[in-house]
Amino acid sequence: SQTIHQWPATLVQPVGSPLSLECTVEGTSNPNLYWYRQAAGRGLQLLFYSVGIGQISSEVPQNLSASRPQDRQFILSSKKLLLSDSGFYLCAWSVRLGLPNTEAFFGQGTRLTVV
Amino acid sequence: GENVEQHPSTLSVQEGDSAVIKCTYSDSASNYFPWYKQELGKRPQLIIDIRSNVGEKKDQRIAVTLNKTAKHFSLHITETQPEDSAVYFCAASRSRYSTLTFGKGTMLLVSP
Repeated sequence: SQTIHQWPATLVQPVGSPLSLECTVEGTSNPNLYWYRQAAGRGLQLLFYSVGIGQISSEVPQNLSASRPQDRQFILSSKKLLLSDSGFYLCAWSVRLGLPNTEAFFGQGTRLTVV
Repeated sequence: GENVEQHPSTLSVQEGDSAVIKCTYSDSASNYFPWYKQELGKRPQLIIDIRSNVGEKKDQRIAVTLNKTAKHFSLHITETQPEDSAVYFCAASRSRYSTLTFGKGTMLLVSP
């Protein structure tokens, strides 16, 4: 069966420090991968998605970047964190082949607090 | 781009009552509409979804209706139970890559 791992679960970082959140998927190949952010009192906002190694699409201009160095690995990064980067970050995957638009499976999330 | 509006933001019901959450979307090309349930501190999980070629879908106590002309879709939960208490998110997608635009969520509270 497929599983998605995301770490760390919680993170407290000072303003101006770098960020690296990692997500890996097991049990499937060629997945679509996503990074979403959930701010307090708001819905989930799509930040980045990737349909293949090295292919990144950005949905919202921001202080963050994403990379996909391997088929089932998705990394969210920042060179210098801002206070506004605080939030709950969720990695997700979906099946790429077959029906367009299928269920997205979410990781456990990382709660980032920038202080 | 797509914009999804969700109402109400909070909904309190008594156990056994029905609950209805409504969403509207702006992009007429959207063709996939999932609903996610998120319990406190946990990941969102899909509870039901509907595609644009279907007007209604039901799964036990949960049903979703879609009105493409009016660009709105609704989640219906019957015979609510305390364990239904959670935040529910609607979403819409037009992309074949399953990129989702979410509503802001509805906190459903079911009192025993």
